[in-house]
Amino acid sequence: QSALTQPPSVSGSPGQSVTISCTGTSSDIGSYDRVSWYQQPPGTAPKLMIYGVSNRPSGVPDRFSGSKSGNTASLTISGLQAEDEADYYCSALTSSLTVVFGGGTKLAVL
Amino acid sequence: QVQLVESGGGLVKPGGSLRLSCVASGFTFSDYYMTWIRQAPGKGLEWISYISTGGSNIYSADSVKGRFTISRDNAKNSLFLQLNSLRAEDTAVYYCARELRRTSGTYDNWGQGTLVTVSS
Repeated sequence: QSALTQPPSVSGSPGQSVTISCTGTSSDIGSYDRVSWYQQPPGTAPKLMIYGVSNRPSGVPDRFSGSKSGNTASLTISGLQAEDEADYYCSALTSSLTVVFGGGTKLAVL
Repeated sequence: QVQLVESGGGLVKPGGSLRLSCVASGFTFSDYYMTWIRQAPGKGLEWISYISTGGSNIYSADSVKGRFTISRDNAKNSLFLQLNSLRAEDTAVYYCARELRRTSGTYDNWGQGTLVTVSS
């Protein structure tokens, strides 16, 4: 199972919005609405930010939103803050009931 | 609150074995599917294996099939990963994670990770 495709890096200024894409296939993202997004600051474990394409766990700011169209999912962060600087990973359940992650995107807040 | 604490990592020679453990607390361990995920130094996340609540259903990545074995002991709130025939490319931080709902592919709680280094 190949990794999902994410841009290596994105950047934005405080207050701006950024969108991170995650492209898969009909065997993963396109199969189910089981796409998740994780935030990982340096040296820490990943933290769940979005699940089921667009659901936010309790405690995650509503500045974080998710969507999906076909085989591509997206994470949008609006009103960027310095604390949002981190690596972001998407993941998806596959038709084989395994899970595949994206390669990760480094978000820089300029 | 939910806590997952991994242990058992360390330095091992190529071809060697290691057993990782993950002790859970703060929730009913036997109610949740559990998973191992790893991250090579400076690299992305790689899903390894998951195990159902009772241990009867197990899925593993092709990269570790036949070498790594996931198991659990619900009486001891513990998850395990037996690593055999280790290779240099298995060097990584290994995380245990709780699955939000069975076969959701979503992990809502992660441990701090344990580092496995495979080197001669």
